[in-house]
Order: sequence, then structure tokens, then C-alpha cells
Amino acid sequence: NAGVTQTPKFQVLKTGQSMTLQCAQDMNHNSMYWYRQDPGMGLRLIYYSASEGTTDKGEVPNGYNVSRLNKREFSLRLESAAPSQTSVYFCASSEFWRSAENSPLHFGNGTRLTVT
Amino acid sequence: GNSVTQMEGPVTLSEEAFLTINCTYTATGYPSLFWYVQYPGEGLQLLLKATKADDKGSNKGFEATYRKETTSFHLEKGSVQVSDSAVYFCALSDPTGNQFYFGTGTSLTVIP
Repeated sequence: NAGVTQTPKFQVLKTGQSMTLQCAQDMNHNSMYWYRQDPGMGLRLIYYSASEGTTDKGEVPNGYNVSRLNKREFSLRLESAAPSQTSVYFCASSEFWRSAENSPLHFGNGTRLTVT
Repeated sequence: GNSVTQMEGPVTLSEEAFLTINCTYTATGYPSLFWYVQYPGEGLQLLLKATKADDKGSNKGFEATYRKETTSFHLEKGSVQVSDSAVYFCALSDPTGNQFYFGTGTSLTVIP
């Protein structure tokens, strides 16, 4: 069971370059998320998709765009990379958007991005 | 608003020592509470959860009790192992929208 798969695992970009981070889940989950992880700041939500066909901004959306391509796939795009976007990016999914027991998040292994 | 505060790290313990990692939260309504663990080079994995007051979550020898009166969800383990070395994150989930709020993480190193 692959779970949540992210590609690439590592990437180095120059300032101003663009790239797309890919994420796919095989658990038939409805909701998907993109987080960034920075030292001393924990995880911060960039964008989320409560269900197929919808996307919404999280805590730190500036400089990013997302696409929920289908139920399985949720991509994150950096149009013009900046050094402040150097981070580790995690994709996650959960079964439900709203539920009494708040279905937990399942994470991918992350993409380590460096912008020079 | 919703937020999670957990104790600063790093924490270094000898094998078989007792572990406590403190976590307190601020939330509207009745959130669910979680502990996630991140091993080096990997994503976060759910360790345990509790969905209502006085619930105790447990897994792999770790425990945490949802204390509404003190707004806390402290993680404990009676005897840590080297394999428990990881970063531990406390998190809460807002039941109105399933948004998660994470603490900053506590790094644990267990030495033989």
C-alpha cells in the first residue's frame, strides 16, 4: 500500500524558476493538503482541497498555486521561486473533510526544495 | 483562534528513561487531539489520537490523555528505546472543517 507519494524528493531551483510538486494518494481520500515545514515553525498549511473540484488557501498561500487534478492527485506549483520558499514540502490526505472524529492526516515523505 | 504549544527541545534521554513531552492547546469548541511522529527523512505518521475529553490515546507504549480542564495533551512513555528517537508533533483538528494546527515539534534523542 503506497499511501501518499510525492515527487521529486529533492530539487534545487534558481530564483525566478518555476516548478510543480506532484502528489498522489491511493487511499480514496476526499481531502488533500500541502504543508511546508521550516525549523522552529512546525508545519504550516499552504493550500488544501476539501474535496475533488475545490481548493482553498491555507495559512501561507502567497507565491503558490494548486490544482486538484482528480480525486487522487493534488499538485503544488511555484511560478517564480524565491529563496524564502526554501523548505521541506509535505503533501497529506485525509478521508473526510468534516467528521465527528476528524479523520487523521496521512503524509508523504516530503520534497526538500532549495532556492538559490 | 486555534493553536498548539509544545515544549521546546531538543530532549535527550537515556534508554529506559521516562518520557514526558508537554502539549497545551487553545481551541474553540471541541477539537480532536493528535500526536504525530516524524522519523529522519520521512513524513509524519499518526502516533495516537483522542477525540473527546478524558479519552486516552495509546500506541507503541506511548499514551496521552485529553484534559479539557487544563487544555493539555501531554505525551508519555514509561521506558524509551533508541528507536523512539524522532521529532514529535502535537496537533489539534477543528471539527468544523478538519483543519489541523500543529505545534513546532520536539526532537527526542535516546542514547544507549
